[in-house]
Amino acid sequence: DIQMTQSPSTLSASVGDRVTITCRASQTISSWLAWYQQKPGKAPKLLIYKASSLESGVPSRFSGSGSGTEFTLTISSLQPDDFATYYCQHYNSYLWTFGHGTKVEIK
Amino acid sequence: EVELVESGGGLVQPGGSLRLSCEASGFTFSSYSMYWVRQAPGKGLEWVSYISSGSSSIYYADSVKGRFTISRDNAKNSLFLQMNSLRAEDTAVYYCARETTTVDWGQGTLVTVSS
Repeated sequence: DIQMTQSPSTLSASVGDRVTITCRASQTISSWLAWYQQKPGKAPKLLIYKASSLESGVPSRFSGSGSGTEFTLTISSLQPDDFATYYCQHYNSYLWTFGHGTKVEIK
Repeated sequence: EVELVESGGGLVQPGGSLRLSCEASGFTFSSYSMYWVRQAPGKGLEWVSYISSGSSSIYYADSVKGRFTISRDNAKNSLFLQMNSLRAEDTAVYYCARETTTVDWGQGTLVTVSS
């Protein structure tokens, strides 16, 4: 099974900061990677699909990059609404695997 | 607009059973593979099961194999998860989801296994 290693697990940042979260796959997954934002009591919200495609309606401060085994989610200027937990996901397989999540906290 | 609506969650005693449903709309349900994913309280996301569009391929996570059964009714645009021999560690919000080039999720249904 493909393992997804996400880092850091917690990130403290201020409004306006540039934030980067990394996800590493245990073997190549091409570009079949999604990024989600999740807030307490809510379903995951898709931000990025196919590693770098921005989901409709998602602010352009979110961007994704990478292919193969190394991927990043970048928030160019952190906004108050962005404090949440973020997950990466490998898909295009019968067995989805997720990173363990990155909690973005207020510094 | 794609919509996935889960139902059937609730409180059940250890060893009990529950059947979750997911009603799909806004797309041709019979053309897509479907998934169940769960999230225990305060924990991350865990893939539970997969079913292909015509039900010919089915897979389960080791943690639920032999206890859970995924199925679908393409005529009724519905996905199901029959959960038997439930354990405390099965307590979670259960989501159904569809994969295309993106991923669509339902809002989830809470299953609580407790005496």
